[in-house]
Amino acid sequence: AQSVTQLDSHVSVSEGTPVLLRCNYSSSYSPSLFWYVQHPNKGLQLLLKYTSAATLVKGINGFEAEFKKSETSFHLTKPSAHMSDAAEYFCVVSNSENTGANNLFFGTGTRLTVIP
Amino acid sequence: KAGVTQTPRYLIKTRGQQVTLSCSPISGHRSVSWYQQTPGQGLQFLFEYFSETQRNKGNFPGRFSGRQFSNSRSEMNVSTLELGDSALYLCASSSGLRVETQYFGPGTRLLVL
Repeated sequence: AQSVTQLDSHVSVSEGTPVLLRCNYSSSYSPSLFWYVQHPNKGLQLLLKYTSAATLVKGINGFEAEFKKSETSFHLTKPSAHMSDAAEYFCVVSNSENTGANNLFFGTGTRLTVIP
Repeated sequence: KAGVTQTPRYLIKTRGQQVTLSCSPISGHRSVSWYQQTPGQGLQFLFEYFSETQRNKGNFPGRFSGRQFSNSRSEMNVSTLELGDSALYLCASSSGLRVETQYFGPGTRLLVL
């Protein structure tokens, strides 16, 4: 079975400081992992995805994530936070590899606050 | 390419009524998935349609149903609405291949009174 655990429900950083959003996953198969962002009253936007290629994945807006199989982690980072980064972030695992179907399992989300 | 569109964006219904939500995927995409987002349960998978067939289903009661048309547009229906069905309903489209990125629409916010 697939699942993800986002270790922090809320993270607060100052503008210009690094961002770290933590995610651990559980999967019976080689997982496909994603980070999505949701701004208030908006849909979900893909930040980046890991699909068994390079373990360090670069995404949009300066975000990146590293897949660590030994730690079953897929933490999201950004060197310098911007005010526009304030949003809800979801770590997601896909079960496509197993079933051939295409559905996603979402973490509970981490709300990122950026302090001016 | 135009993105995923969902109609209506907002909806208010009363308990016991039924509702139909619509989703138009990105042109060329054959898979449409539906998700429910609530503050208490987070984002949960409802079902996925691919080439007019339901390919996968989440753990929701039979009051939640869907269908997909030959042009890949999809509808989701909820019958006998309950207060707990108040949520943001998101649809996502993809090509339908494995490990493919899903692109989300803006959602339909349903309020059940």
